[in-house]
Amino acid sequence: DVKVTQSSRYLVKRTGEKVFLECVQDMDHENMFWYRQDPGLGLRLIYFSYDVKMKEKGDIPEGYSVSREKKERFSLILESASTNQTSMYLCASSIGDRARGEQFFGPGTRLTVL
Amino acid sequence: GDSVTQMEGPVTLSEEAFLTINCTYTATGYPSLFWYVQYPGEGLQLLLKATKADDKGSNKGFEATYRKETTSFHLEKGSVQVSDSAVYFCALSDRQGAQKLVFGQGTRLTINP
Repeated sequence: DVKVTQSSRYLVKRTGEKVFLECVQDMDHENMFWYRQDPGLGLRLIYFSYDVKMKEKGDIPEGYSVSREKKERFSLILESASTNQTSMYLCASSIGDRARGEQFFGPGTRLTVL
Repeated sequence: GDSVTQMEGPVTLSEEAFLTINCTYTATGYPSLFWYVQYPGEGLQLLLKATKADDKGSNKGFEATYRKETTSFHLEKGSVQVSDSAVYFCALSDRQGAQKLVFGQGTRLTINP
């Protein structure tokens, strides 16, 4: 059974803190993604990675960075958390097959920045 | 760039009613199309997909047909159940590189018994 896990379901941090969100997939997928989900805005892509140590900016990368040192793990980093980064963060992965394209999602991390 | 537009929500129906959630897209290439569902407190799950024109995706009684001429991928179900209450997202994949998904804003569906 395919599985994407995220390190925390709920997280509360203070403004200015450095925040790490971890995502692990056990499907040997090449591609991994970080989204944030906000009411009325759907999902917006923050960063994605198509291979180890490779990363590309998505639509809203400002204030975020990522790390992918191993194929199965993709980390999202908030260098200095701000209140406007309070959101639901979703990680996803997909196989590197252009004919398919479907992504598998983790359960999400609801981050609150005070 | 590519975009997806979904029917505004929230949508409230009675059990056994017919459901349609409209989805239209704009894309420069020839995308694959998806419907994802998010149940309360969970991540997104793939509901169905279609990869070429006139393909029909189906799952759990839901159906959607890839209409290239109208650039649409409307979600339908003949008889909804309370357990179908969720948020539904239409999405397209650009088939380039890492196959990024572009999502609509989501439609919250509530089914009353």
